[in-house]
Amino acid sequence: AQKITQTQPGMFVQEKEAVTLDCTYDTSDPSYGLFWYKQPSSGEMIFLIYQGSYDQQNATEGRYSLNFQKARKSANLVISASQLGDSAMYFCAMREAITGGGNKLTFGTGTQLKVEL
Amino acid sequence: ETGVTQTPRHLVMGMTNKKSLKCEQHLGHNAMYWYKQSAKKPLELMFVYNFKEQTENNSVPSRFSPECPNSSHLFLHLHTLQPEDSALYLCASSQDLWESGNTIYFGEGSWLTVV
Repeated sequence: AQKITQTQPGMFVQEKEAVTLDCTYDTSDPSYGLFWYKQPSSGEMIFLIYQGSYDQQNATEGRYSLNFQKARKSANLVISASQLGDSAMYFCAMREAITGGGNKLTFGTGTQLKVEL
Repeated sequence: ETGVTQTPRHLVMGMTNKKSLKCEQHLGHNAMYWYKQSAKKPLELMFVYNFKEQTENNSVPSRFSPECPNSSHLFLHLHTLQPEDSALYLCASSQDLWESGNTIYFGEGSWLTVV
């Protein structure tokens, strides 16, 4: 069985500072994918960034980067130059194979990020 | 317009009511999903459809009945629900269920309250 662990229930960061949100995972599948999503209070789950297990480079998307350390089974999200609009819940998720074919996402419990002035 | 649209956004229903949640995706995807998000719990996958065929039912009680008439539309029919079913229900879609790198895109969710 696969598992995603987010150990930070809540984080605070000053505006314009960088922040790292932790995510560790456990899987016996050699091929997997890791995702980060942002969920504002409105409820929508917004895709931020993806990292494949065979990708050589760490993924980056604008102010978001994923610090992928395969040997340590960690996939931390780094947000640079934090903005007030970054305040939200952040979820780490891993692609999991479905018995009988296909894939699905397994989510961590999330980290509530608050950006302060 | 968002790629995945859910209606209604908010729903309050009694335990004896029958209601439906609707999801429509405008991304040309072939796989669609229902997730449930309860307070202080991780998102739980409920159902998966690929090319209109159900490929996953995560032991969901029969009071939740999904329907996928085509690759663009997904419904969740609700009847005789319990107060503990109150949650945010998220619909999602992806290009192809089989490709590991395909991103899953979510709608804005339907907030359901059972009274």
